Amino acid sequence: NAGVTQTPKFRVLKTGQSMTLLCAQDMNHEYMYWYRQDPGMGLRLIHYSVGEGTTAKGEVPDGYNVSRLKKQNFLLGLESAAPSQTSVYFCASSYRFDLWVASRQETQYFGPGTRLLVL
Amino acid sequence: GQQLNQSPQSMFIQEGEDVSMNCTSSSIFNTWLWYKQDPGEGPVLLIALYKAGELTSNGRLTAQFGITRKDSFLNISASIPSDVGIYFCAGQLGGKLIFGQGTELSVKP
Repeated sequence: NAGVTQTPKFRVLKTGQSMTLLCAQDMNHEYMYWYRQDPGMGLRLIHYSVGEGTTAKGEVPDGYNVSRLKKQNFLLGLESAAPSQTSVYFCASSYRFDLWVASRQETQYFGPGTRLLVL
Repeated sequence: GQQLNQSPQSMFIQEGEDVSMNCTSSSIFNTWLWYKQDPGEGPVLLIALYKAGELTSNGRLTAQFGITRKDSFLNISASIPSDVGIYFCAGQLGGKLIFGQGTELSVKP
């Protein structure tokens, strides 16, 4: 059981280049998330998915696209990278949750992160 | 949008001392979580709180879910060098997590 894995671990891009970050989880979680972490700002939600084939915008979605073609994978794409997208990107996953009752199934588990530098 | 205010931003303590940090919000959350992040790693869950007023311990760590559901604190007793890292609070509502800015803890042996 590897938990949540992310590839690549580190990448350098030039402005305008595109790339895709891959997140994979082997815990059969319904929910998956992409966050970015910048100094002094904690983690901010980019996009998330509540199940295979569905995606939704988070707090900072501009400049990113996502896809969830398989339950275990969640892809984050940058079509035209900008220096402002230099950050550390974290993927997370969690079980389905009950909207009205908090339960231990809501807990999110994080991957090790991808460091992206856009020059 | 929803915001969490986490304090302090950083702490420099001596090994053996107790540590306290807290988070407050203008919004009500169903769940409060506390994570620790080591350099170059993703956040790791320390404690999860699911009910207002709940007090939960995990070894030397103790956290409480505020009665108003708008705040939480984390205490670390008898700190050790491996406690070094960044601690994040997070409030969860509707499947989304809102994170605090983090508290960077340094422990001097």
